[in-house]
Amino acid sequence: AVQLVESGGGLVQPKESLKISCAASGFTFSNAAMYWVRQAPGKGLEWVARIRTKPNNYATYYADSVKGRFTISRDDSKSMVYLQMDNLKTEDTAMYYCTAAGLAYWGQGTLVTVSS
Amino acid sequence: DVVMTQTPPSLSVAIGQSVSISCKSSQSLVYSDGKTYLHWLLQSSGRSPKRLIYQVSNLDSGVPDRFSGTGSQKDFTLKISRVEAKDLGVYYCAQTTHFPRTFGGGTKLELK
Repeated sequence: AVQLVESGGGLVQPKESLKISCAASGFTFSNAAMYWVRQAPGKGLEWVARIRTKPNNYATYYADSVKGRFTISRDDSKSMVYLQMDNLKTEDTAMYYCTAAGLAYWGQGTLVTVSS
Repeated sequence: DVVMTQTPPSLSVAIGQSVSISCKSSQSLVYSDGKTYLHWLLQSSGRSPKRLIYQVSNLDSGVPDRFSGTGSQKDFTLKISRVEAKDLGVYYCAQTTHFPRTFGGGTKLELK
């Protein structure tokens, strides 16, 4: 069965950094573009970042709200995708979901709270 | 950015009723390959989103045929026939044709 398991969330102060991870299994990870989507408390869904596959040069795309602060990466040998979040702001507080295959697969999410 | 406008924002329904949710995009969602990447998701309370329908009208595995999706270009509809208690939650439309990917604001389906 397909599984996406996020980890690494927590409480950080504004301007600090945090790296969250997503472990994938049950599908051919190296063939799949991977996404991060977030949901602020009580709000809707917001797409954050995407990373394509090796044949597509691992091309990355970011929402304007995180461009220049967040970096998505992947390790195909470990079936892992990461989101390095720098210079965090209070408005980055959200549940962060890893998703793949055109939104067909979702993890359970990891909560990131940015507060002083 | 493509703006996805969902209506209504909430719906109260009795078990067994049928409901429809509208999703309108600010641009055509037809991709250069001719396909339309408009999807419907359900987020039940406290859970991760789950995709129900992909590319306008294709049901994901295990999704009952009480759910149906229609539409084209910029105007899409999700219909749920004979609503059951397990259908309650927030429904989102989402487009993966254009960057950035965008979601509708959600429609909360509640029991009357």
